[in-house]
Amino acid sequence: AQSVTQLDSQVPVFEEAPVELRCNYSSSVSVYLFWYVQYPNQGLQLLLKYLSGSTLVKGINGFEAEFNKSQTSFHLRKPSVHISDTAEYFCAVSDRRVTGGGNKLTFGTGTQLKVEL
Amino acid sequence: EAQVTQNPRYLITVTGKKLTVTCSQNMNHEYMSWYRQDPGLGLRQIYYSMNVEVTDKGDVPEGYKVSRKEKRNFPLILESPSPNQTSLYFCASSPGPTNTGELFFGEGSRLTVL
Repeated sequence: AQSVTQLDSQVPVFEEAPVELRCNYSSSVSVYLFWYVQYPNQGLQLLLKYLSGSTLVKGINGFEAEFNKSQTSFHLRKPSVHISDTAEYFCAVSDRRVTGGGNKLTFGTGTQLKVEL
Repeated sequence: EAQVTQNPRYLITVTGKKLTVTCSQNMNHEYMSWYRQDPGLGLRQIYYSMNVEVTDKGDVPEGYKVSRKEKRNFPLILESPSPNQTSLYFCASSPGPTNTGELFFGEGSRLTVL
């Protein structure tokens, strides 16, 4: 079984400041890792994903995340945030061994990013 | 436009009154699933379907039913809703077995059971 821990439920930050949203996972098997974003009153959309290869993954809207296997972490970062980045961010994992396992995501509890002027 | 459409978007109902939340996708995806989102709990999978007539329980299936008679539709049925099913529900789809994790979500259906 897998689990995902997002340590911060809310992160307030001023516009143009850097931000890091933390994600740690627990799994006995090899996993795929994801960040999804949910804007107000919308469904979730994929921000970025780590499947294999380079541990630094770049996504949409200037976000990036780094996979750290030894620390079982997949923290999300952006060097300079904008008001439009205000949203809820979800970290998720899936079992890479299972055929179709990529479809079954285990989500964290979410981090609300609030960007202020 | 590729999309996952849920209806209704908002619903207030009373305990015990059967309801159905519809979900339809126009991307010819094989895989569809339902999640519920609750504060502090994130998203939890209710049911999923790998293809037509193939459905299985997710992590929190109690009190829900689903069916997959057509590839594009995956309705969620609450036979006898209870207040603990008050939640925000999301339908999602993805291409199929080779998918590596990109799910396409609907905009959500907010259900209140009184």
